[in-house]
Amino acid sequence: DIQMTQSPSSLSASVGDRVTITCRASQSISSYLNWYQQKPGKAPKLLIYAASNLQSGVPSRFSGSGSGTDFTLTISSLQPEDFATYYCHQSYSTPVFGQGTKLEIK
Amino acid sequence: QVQLQESGPGLVKPSQTLSLTCTVSGGSISSGSYYWSWIRQPAGKGLEWIGRIYTSGSTNYKSSLKSRVTISVDTSKNQFSLKLNSVTAADTAVYYCARESIAGRGWFDPWGQGNLVTVSS
Repeated sequence: DIQMTQSPSSLSASVGDRVTITCRASQSISSYLNWYQQKPGKAPKLLIYAASNLQSGVPSRFSGSGSGTDFTLTISSLQPEDFATYYCHQSYSTPVFGQGTKLEIK
Repeated sequence: QVQLQESGPGLVKPSQTLSLTCTVSGGSISSGSYYWSWIRQPAGKGLEWIGRIYTSGSTNYKSSLKSRVTISVDTSKNQFSLKLNSVTAADTAVYYCARESIAGRGWFDPWGQGNLVTVSS
C-alpha cells in the first residue's frame, strides 16, 4: 500500500494565523489527494478533493495544492471553528489516510 | 441531499461477528457513479478504510482484513452492510459508512455519523 505521512502531527496556532499542513505520499499519486476536517465526536468532512478543488460550501480560506508526492492544505486566516484534526487521503489506489494533524489553539 | 446512517449493536463479544448496516436516504444506492465504503476509527487514532462495494455487488477489501470482512448490498432497501468476523478488542472503533466517488478515483462524501462498536465480553 501507498503510505501517507502528514506533518506536523500537531500544531498550535492563533486565530488569524496562516497555517499549512503537509502530506507526503510514498510514491506518486498524481492529484488523487483529498483533505478532510474532523471535529471531536463527529464524522470527517470533505474539504478539498483532487488536490486543489474546494468542496461546495467550504470557506474559501481553505486551499489545497500539490501533485505527485507532496501536497499541502493551507488555511489562510484561522477562524475559531477551524480548530480540529485534519486528514489527507490518497485515492490513487487502495484508500489510505494520513495519520492526522491536530490543530490546537495557542 | 444524500444522507447515510449506520445502525447495529454497540457491543460485540470477542470471537463473534460484528454486523452493521448503512441506510442511504435522499438518493439511490444503485447510482452507477459511486462506491459505498466502510471506514473505522479506534478511539484517539486515525482513519482506516475497510472496504467498498459497487451496486453490482463487486467488492474490494483492505488486504489485512480481507479474510474476515464481507460487505454486501441490498438495493431494494437502499442499504449496504458490513460483517467482520472473529473480532478482538483491536476491532473496537467507531465505524463509518461513506459514499465514494468513482470519477477521479474519488473521495469520501458524505459520511454517516458513525457507530461505536466495542468488543468486550
